[in-house]
Amino acid sequence: TQLLEQSPQFLSIQEGENLTVYCNSSSVFSSLQWYRQEPGEGPVLLVTVVTGGEVKKLKRLTFQFGDARKDSSLHITAAQPGDTGLYLCAGRAAGNKLTFGGGTRVLVKP
Amino acid sequence: EAGVAQSPRYKIIEKRQSVAFWCNPISGHATLYWYQQILGQGPKLLIQFQNNGVVDDSQLPKDRFSAERLKGVDSTLKIQPAKLEDSAVYLCASRKTFGTANHEAFFGQGTRLTVV
Repeated sequence: TQLLEQSPQFLSIQEGENLTVYCNSSSVFSSLQWYRQEPGEGPVLLVTVVTGGEVKKLKRLTFQFGDARKDSSLHITAAQPGDTGLYLCAGRAAGNKLTFGGGTRVLVKP
Repeated sequence: EAGVAQSPRYKIIEKRQSVAFWCNPISGHATLYWYQQILGQGPKLLIQFQNNGVVDDSQLPKDRFSAERLKGVDSTLKIQPAKLEDSAVYLCASRKTFGTANHEAFFGQGTRLTVV
């Protein structure tokens, strides 16, 4: 069974601060995706990283895939209340199986 | 483009009763997933279909859960009989093709099941 561990489980910060969420596994994934989920909704894809060492930026969000394709991080610069939500990483393995981490709940206070 | 449709949005049943959830994926999407998301946790894959065939059901509790996708389009997930620990949000997702790395999976809003 491929497991993805996210840390921290919960993060509460003030508007304007930076934050980093980590996603770690002992397994290698062909790609890794980050989703954000808001209450009462399904997860929505933010980014897919495919190549080891890859860095992708999406406005104030920076995503990094580890060189060995076993881990990833999400960094948010100058967080805003609209960034509040549950952040999920998901690894894609053979057969298009998507395995999700436990999620990091982020609260950005105004 | 219409998204993934799920119904009902909410369901409350007593333990030992049966329940069924329905999912209509995005038109043309061959891959369909059912996930169980317990409050405060990430989604856990229950079953994955490719067209009308099962690709992975290794984490489906087959003594009480069943799923089908008879014509390779809509899918239903059934629980019979339900237990208290089945209380969760059941998410359906669909994906365009079997192969390409960057095709995203689109999720429905989910069905929130409460077993009392």
